[in-house]
Amino acid sequence: GAVVSQHPSRVICKSGTSVKIECRSLDFQATTMFWYRQFPKQSLMLMATSNEGSKATYEQGVEKDKFLINHASLTLSTLTVTSAHPEDSSFYICSALRTGGVGSREQYFGPGTRLTVT
Amino acid sequence: GEDVEQSLFLSVREGDSSVINCTYTDSSSTYLYWYKQEPGAGLQLLTYIFSNMDMKQDQRLTVLLNKKDKHLSLRIADTQTGDSAIYFCAGGGSQGNLIFGKGTKLSVKP
Repeated sequence: GAVVSQHPSRVICKSGTSVKIECRSLDFQATTMFWYRQFPKQSLMLMATSNEGSKATYEQGVEKDKFLINHASLTLSTLTVTSAHPEDSSFYICSALRTGGVGSREQYFGPGTRLTVT
Repeated sequence: GEDVEQSLFLSVREGDSSVINCTYTDSSSTYLYWYKQEPGAGLQLLTYIFSNMDMKQDQRLTVLLNKKDKHLSLRIADTQTGDSAIYFCAGGGSQGNLIFGKGTKLSVKP
């Protein structure tokens, strides 16, 4: 199956610093990648849609200046949490959209990044 | 927009069948998905069903879709302790993203 990696898997940072999370599709090209956020014991909420070569589309309530997304190539999207605060502590998961041979649009998820802001 | 609802907890004994239910509001989703999430880990795609199908079977997994009632279920036969996890159903959003239910935590007792 398709593989999506995320780096780092865990990160602890101090309040006010910035953190970059990478999402890579390892064996397929993904024009579109998604960034989700998951709070403890809750479902995943879409933060933004990242399209290669264009600006990301952010969901309502997500600050685009705080969560910077760059989709510079067909296999890499990055999410930078700027001026992180403790309330940004969460589990961030990316997914890459692959158009399948059977006509399906399959999303493959990365393993997630646990961000803790102290 | 799409809304997806699931019961939050299910507890079964090892060897029994588990049935996890899901209802959704948007009938335009072409595919409906089941994902598994183990503690502290990302999501694993278990299976998906095309919206014009009623049933799909994949080894121990059976997905049933009732389009009229907008009801989706996942049956796990011969449930094992390794099946303990959170199971999310998801429908397709308008941008190709997924809209998830809150997840059903499956606990399997030996």
